[in-house]
Amino acid sequence: GQNIDQPTEMTATEGAIVQINCTYQTSGFNGLFWYQQHAGEAPTFLSYNVLDGLEEKGRFSSFLSRSKGYSYLLLKELQMKDSASYLCAVRARTGANNLFFGTGTRLTVIP
Amino acid sequence: GAVVSQHPSRVICKSGTSVKIECRSLDFQATTMFWYRQFPKKSLMLMATSNEGSKATYEQGVEKDKFLINHASLTLSTLTVTSAHPEDSSFYICSARGGTIANTGELFFGEGSRLTVL
Repeated sequence: GQNIDQPTEMTATEGAIVQINCTYQTSGFNGLFWYQQHAGEAPTFLSYNVLDGLEEKGRFSSFLSRSKGYSYLLLKELQMKDSASYLCAVRARTGANNLFFGTGTRLTVIP
Repeated sequence: GAVVSQHPSRVICKSGTSVKIECRSLDFQATTMFWYRQFPKKSLMLMATSNEGSKATYEQGVEKDKFLINHASLTLSTLTVTSAHPEDSSFYICSARGGTIANTGELFFGEGSRLTVL
C-alpha cells in the first residue's frame, strides 16, 4: 500500500521562501509529483521527480530522496496568488501506474 | 498541454435520482482515465481506474454498483452516481495521462464536478 504524509497547513509571508515536506512509503516507487490546487478548482501539475536530486523550475523547485522516502517543494519569492493547496502524489509501479495523493498542504501567504 | 474537459461543473439533484458526469480528453487519446473524489479541505481519493473497452477497476471501499463507470471510447469516460444520497455530495474530478507529452506520466485533470444532493 501507500502512505503519504504532508503537513496540513502552513503560513508564510509574501516575498519569503517556504518549504513543504512530503514523506512517503510505497510498494514500487515510480515517480513523485507535486500539484497545486486552488479552492474549487482542479489540480495543476507543478513538478515531477523520479531520480534523486533537485529539479528547478522558475520560483518552484522540488527535491527527492528515494532512500529516505522524502521530497520537498520549495517556493521562492512568495506571491499572494501562491495561496493554495499543494498535493504530493506518488506513482506506484502497479497496473495503470496510478497516482496516490497525500492529504495536501494548505499554504496561506500573508502580506 | 493536454486538455481534459469535465461536464457538468455543478449539478444539484434530488435524493434518489441518478447523475452522470462526463470526462473528455480533447486533444489526445486516453486509454486510461482516473476518477477521484474530494471532500472539503481534503486531498483527492482515487475511486476507480477507467479502462477503454473494459470494466473499471475500483478501489477498496468504493461501491461499483453505486458509481458506474463507462469508458466507451478513447476520449470519453462517464461516471454515473446512481440513486444519489446527500452523503454522495462531493467534488468529483477525472484525470487522464497525456499521450506523448514529455512522458513524465503527469496527469491532466478535468475542471471537476461539484455534486450537491438535496
